[in-house]
Amino acid sequence: GEDVEQSLFLSVREGDSSVINCTYTDSSSTYLYWYKQEPGAGLQLLTYIFSNMDMKQDQRLTVLLNKKDKHLSLRIADTQTGDSAIYFCAESFGSGGGADGLTFGKGTHLIIQP
Amino acid sequence: ETGVTQTPRHLVMGMTNKKSLKCEQHLGHNAMYWYKQSAKKPLELMFVYNFKEQTENNSVPSRFSPECPNSSHLFLHLHTLQPEDSALYLCASSRGERSTDTQYFGPGTRLTVL
Repeated sequence: GEDVEQSLFLSVREGDSSVINCTYTDSSSTYLYWYKQEPGAGLQLLTYIFSNMDMKQDQRLTVLLNKKDKHLSLRIADTQTGDSAIYFCAESFGSGGGADGLTFGKGTHLIIQP
Repeated sequence: ETGVTQTPRHLVMGMTNKKSLKCEQHLGHNAMYWYKQSAKKPLELMFVYNFKEQTENNSVPSRFSPECPNSSHLFLHLHTLQPEDSALYLCASSRGERSTDTQYFGPGTRLTVL
């Protein structure tokens, strides 16, 4: 099965950039996702990237994909206190069809220092 | 609000009890999912339904029994659970047309098994 690995904690100062890293193991073409979970809430999709892309940018978010190393990163520019949450990297099961389960990492707790 | 609701939000049950978790989506989606989020493991896919048909059972023990009577509702029937089944159970839905369709998550049911 697939494995998705993330570091558990990241602490950054308000206003700095946050870079959250993820590695995955599935070598087949797939979609890779970043989800955000705030306390007491479900998961919110932030962005996704197809495995044949290198980069995707959406406002303060930049996703970088190194397919050779199976490494995915999420950069949050100008980190704010509202960005404090758990960030999950996820990969499609790749089973095909119209509904595909996701394999998640354990999540990275982003801690914002004032 | 993501358009996916789950009830109850919190549930405490004994090992001999029978209970059910309910998920409802108001997004017109056709695919629905159950995920388990426990403290010590990454988010795990449990079941996938697409157009009311189960398309994925991720080796889930039979003490968990899903039911999908229509595309808007998904249940998870619980019986003879173990304390290690205590976790946050998350429901999600997607359009069900392509495997890359965004999955929208509910807030989850926090289950405690005594």
